[in-house]
Formats: sequence, C-alpha cells, structure tokens
Amino acid sequence: AAGVIQSPRHLIKEKRETATLKCYPIPRHDTVYWYQQGPGQDPQFLISFYEKMQSDKGSIPDRFSAQQFSDYHSELNMSSLELGDSALYFCASSLRLAGSRLYEQYFGPGTRLTVT
Amino acid sequence: GEDVEQSLFLSVREGDSSVINCTYTDSSSTYLYWYKQEPGAGLQLLTYIFSNMDMKQDQRLTVLLNKKDKHLSLRIADTQTGDSAIYFCAESQGGKLIFGQGTELSVKP
Repeated sequence: AAGVIQSPRHLIKEKRETATLKCYPIPRHDTVYWYQQGPGQDPQFLISFYEKMQSDKGSIPDRFSAQQFSDYHSELNMSSLELGDSALYFCASSLRLAGSRLYEQYFGPGTRLTVT
Repeated sequence: GEDVEQSLFLSVREGDSSVINCTYTDSSSTYLYWYKQEPGAGLQLLTYIFSNMDMKQDQRLTVLLNKKDKHLSLRIADTQTGDSAIYFCAESQGGKLIFGQGTELSVKP
C-alpha cells in the first residue's frame, strides 16, 4: 500500500538559511499534519490542513509557514533557521470521515533537518 | 507532551508479556492511539481505542482503557526482539495528536 512520502529525507542547512520540506499524502487522504520531533522528545504538532485550508495550528514559529496544494501535497517552509530547529519533521495524512472523530494519522519517514 | 504521561523505560525478556502504561488528561478525547517508533524511523500506527470501550484486542496487542482514571495500557503478548522500539500513546484534540514522552521497550533474548 502507498505510504506518506517526504522529501528530502535529510537536509543540512546553515543558520539563517531557508528550507522547504515536502510531503505527499496517501492517495485520497484529504488532511495533512506536520509534527516536529526534537532529539529524545515526543512529536509536537505544528500545523494541519484539510482540503487545502489550514485547519489547526500548534506551536509553529512565525518563521515557519506551510500550505497544501491542489494535488493535496504540502510544503513546510522554514526561514531564518536557528540551531534549535534541528529535528525530525514528520508529515502525517488521514482521511476525514463525516461525523467521525477518529483521526487515523499515517506518518511518513520524516525529514531530518540539521542546522549548523 | 504534558497532557499525556508515560514511564520512560521498560525491559523484558523475549517471550514475556510487556505492559506499557499511559495517563492522559483530556476527558473529551474520543479516541486514544498507540504508535511504535523504531530508531531513525517514522511512527507506525499500531492500534486505537474508542473512549467508550474498555478493551480492544488485535493479535498480540491488547489495549485496556480505564476512563475513570484516564489510564491506558498496551499489552504485547509473547514479546519478540523485533518489538524493541519506543511506544507512544496519544490523544487527539480536535484532530491533532498530543503524544506522551514515549516508553522505550528493550527486549532481551
């Protein structure tokens, strides 16, 4: 079965540079979520999109922005990178069912961002 | 996450049962989830339970839910070395997942 695809898998950037992370959800999934996982920590929710509209926002810095495109893929743009942005960034996707509060989120393999 | 708590480490012998515990705070959570993360990998959805259920079994996995105490557990029967990983419980708040700190399960042969 097709899974969530993320690219690139690894990214090395210097401080103050910008980075763009891409996510391709499972086909027919309409919701995309972004999470950040620091070393030895649990994943922290950043932002989500449902049908190309932002649906929820978590602890996402103002330096970061994201969007979901017409083909449902999503991009996370990160500017003015700081050392503390070094982390694993996961994208997850789900299919929202009408009237259901079940969110079966399937995660991609992640993008490991290292800021030097 | 501060709303969801887990013990950090668990060590068992191969063939034994493992029980990973979790407490959560949001009584409005309708679904609770268990994810598995192997080193350097993504999170794999193992199972979930609806909040009006007490138990759910799926092959070697058994989830128990005590809604009164907001306590969730994951039991892995006949634990294998391939089960060594970090296990996260999570509650959903309006769609976003709030994770516990993760329990590192170590399985010794």
